[in-house]
Amino acid sequence: ETGVTQSPTHLIKTRGQQVTLRCSSQSGHNTVSWYQQALGQGPQFIFQYYREEENGRGNFPPRFSGLQFPNYSSELNVNALELDDSALYLCASSNGQGVISGNTIYFGEGSWLTVV
Amino acid sequence: AQSVTQLGSHVSVSEGALVLLRCNYSSSVPPYLFWYVQYPNQGLQLLLKYTSAATLVKGINGFEAEFKKSETSFHLTKPSAHMSDAAEYFCAVSAHTGGFKTIFGAGTRLFVKA
Repeated sequence: ETGVTQSPTHLIKTRGQQVTLRCSSQSGHNTVSWYQQALGQGPQFIFQYYREEENGRGNFPPRFSGLQFPNYSSELNVNALELDDSALYLCASSNGQGVISGNTIYFGEGSWLTVV
Repeated sequence: AQSVTQLGSHVSVSEGALVLLRCNYSSSVPPYLFWYVQYPNQGLQLLLKYTSAATLVKGINGFEAEFKKSETSFHLTKPSAHMSDAAEYFCAVSAHTGGFKTIFGAGTRLFVKA
């Protein structure tokens, strides 16, 4: 158990819809990052939040957005869903203090999104 | 820029045999390196990490990895495979500076034969 919880665990959406995925970070962790893992591939970095501000982003379009709340929990929002958005979405938390890399990140078990 | 290459998308070993999973990295700055394991339908679990201290890193479940700067490698080994080691293994790299972004390899699926 990593202490990182994600919801929902599975969901099915229709192309063009919007989805919100949620993540509760491990107690004491102030940094949350989101990853997309397509079937048979490694996780791809989407973005990271530190103290409610986005401070790092991967190569994902603006329809992928996020929020971090004062309790450091986080949401990933995806608008205008496309079939290729079908993947496992992983949340990871750490006490990374924003700009210090190399800290251990702890992953949740992910949310499986299927877009039909 | 950073990248990770895992050699071999599938590796099969017999129970009790040596496990060797290969990882090469590219980084413009001294890297932090990680190995994660993912069991079916689960998230990723950290096996071990290299943070510029000892070049031979010991992790959980009997795994270890050696950082070789001259070869830009960080191969994962275990002397004797168990059936429970069957899983997907990911090598990952992140930079000292510039943020937290962690780059993952494509993964190597380990099969363990009885």
